[in-house]
Amino acid sequence: SQELEQSPQSLIVQEGKNLTINCTSSKTLYGLYWYKQKYGEGLIFLMMLQKGGEEKSHEKITAKLDEKKQQSSLHITASQPSHAGIYLCGAADTGRRALTFGSGTRLQVQP
Amino acid sequence: DGGITQSPKYLFRKEGQNVTLSCEQNLNHDAMYWYRQDPGQGLRLIYYSQIVNDFQKGDIAEGYSVSREKKESFPLTVTSAQKNPTAFYLCASLKGDRRSEAFFGQGTRLTVV
Repeated sequence: SQELEQSPQSLIVQEGKNLTINCTSSKTLYGLYWYKQKYGEGLIFLMMLQKGGEEKSHEKITAKLDEKKQQSSLHITASQPSHAGIYLCGAADTGRRALTFGSGTRLQVQP
Repeated sequence: DGGITQSPKYLFRKEGQNVTLSCEQNLNHDAMYWYRQDPGQGLRLIYYSQIVNDFQKGDIAEGYSVSREKKESFPLTVTSAQKNPTAFYLCASLKGDRRSEAFFGQGTRLTVV
């Protein structure tokens, strides 16, 4: 089965700083999702990347997909307290047609 | 509005009891998934279903059971065989072509008392 490894596991940054979260897959990526979660709540869709080299942005969040490296990165520019939460990457495991997720990155933004 | 609904939001189970978590979607999605989340952890796949009357075990299926009698519904039963059921459970649905986002319910928090 496909495994997704996220790094770092947790991150504390000062408000206004930039940060990057990485997601590495054990298998070829055919599409990758990024979600945000407030603990104890459902997931909020951020963006989906489908092609190698694809880059998408939403407000201050940018995600890229590097198919060759089987990796995706999520970059937040000028972080704000509202960015705090758990960020999860997910991918379609084509071997068993399931949707699997990484272990998440917990982000705290200090004012 | 289309969406995916989980109920109840909070559920308490006594030792030895079976409980069923509900998941309903009106998005006409083919695929549905159940995940378990423990504190500070990511999502672990319990069961998934690509079509009606068919489902597959995920990574942590022991102690759980599901059914998919209707496209809209994918209930999860936590049986007494699940030794540590206290967790947050999330249901998701996805179009069959997997070219769009997966929609998630708001989750059910199950606690053993």
